[in-house]
Amino acid sequence: SQTIHQWPATLVQPVGSPLSLECTVEGTSNPNLYWYRQAAGRGLQLLFYSVGIGQISSEVPQNLSASRPQDRQFILSSKKLLLSDSGFYLCAWSVSYWGYMNTEAFFGQGTRLTVV
Amino acid sequence: SQKIEQNSEALNIQEGKTATLTCNYTNYSPAYLQWYRQDPGRGPVFLLLIRENEKEKRKERLKVTFDTTLKQSLFHITASQPADSATYLCALVKVGSGYSTLTFGKGTMLLVSP
Repeated sequence: SQTIHQWPATLVQPVGSPLSLECTVEGTSNPNLYWYRQAAGRGLQLLFYSVGIGQISSEVPQNLSASRPQDRQFILSSKKLLLSDSGFYLCAWSVSYWGYMNTEAFFGQGTRLTVV
Repeated sequence: SQKIEQNSEALNIQEGKTATLTCNYTNYSPAYLQWYRQDPGRGPVFLLLIRENEKEKRKERLKVTFDTTLKQSLFHITASQPADSATYLCALVKVGSGYSTLTFGKGTMLLVSP
């Protein structure tokens, strides 16, 4: 069966520090991968998606970047965190049909990031 | 611009009653629509998917309707239980060239009282 791992679960970082969040998927190949952010009182905002290794698309211009160094690994990074980067970060994957999501998305447990 | 609207106010109902949640959208022509459940501090969990050519979909105590003319989906939980208390998210598929992604509404919190 397929599983998605996301870590760490919680993170407190000072303003200006770097960030690296990692997500890995097991039990499937060539998935579509997504990073979402959920700020307090707001909905899920899509940050990045990837339909293949090295293929990253950004939905919202921001202080973050993403990379997909391996088929089932998705990394969210920042060189210098801002207070506004605080939020609940969620990685997700879906079955890919030529880049299109065929059915539902499967989410990780999330990382609660607090920038202080 | 494209919008997905869900009732931002929490829905409070008594155990055993039917909960009905609404999802309205504008400037979309989705091929299908999805509903997810999210518990506090957890990632969303998929519940149901309904396609544009389907009027209604059921799964155990859950029922979803999809009216592409009204641009609305209704999500029903019959015989609701306190364990059904959670935030329910509506999601639409956004299709581009060679990709598709999910866009979510802000969700409606459901509180089921014993």
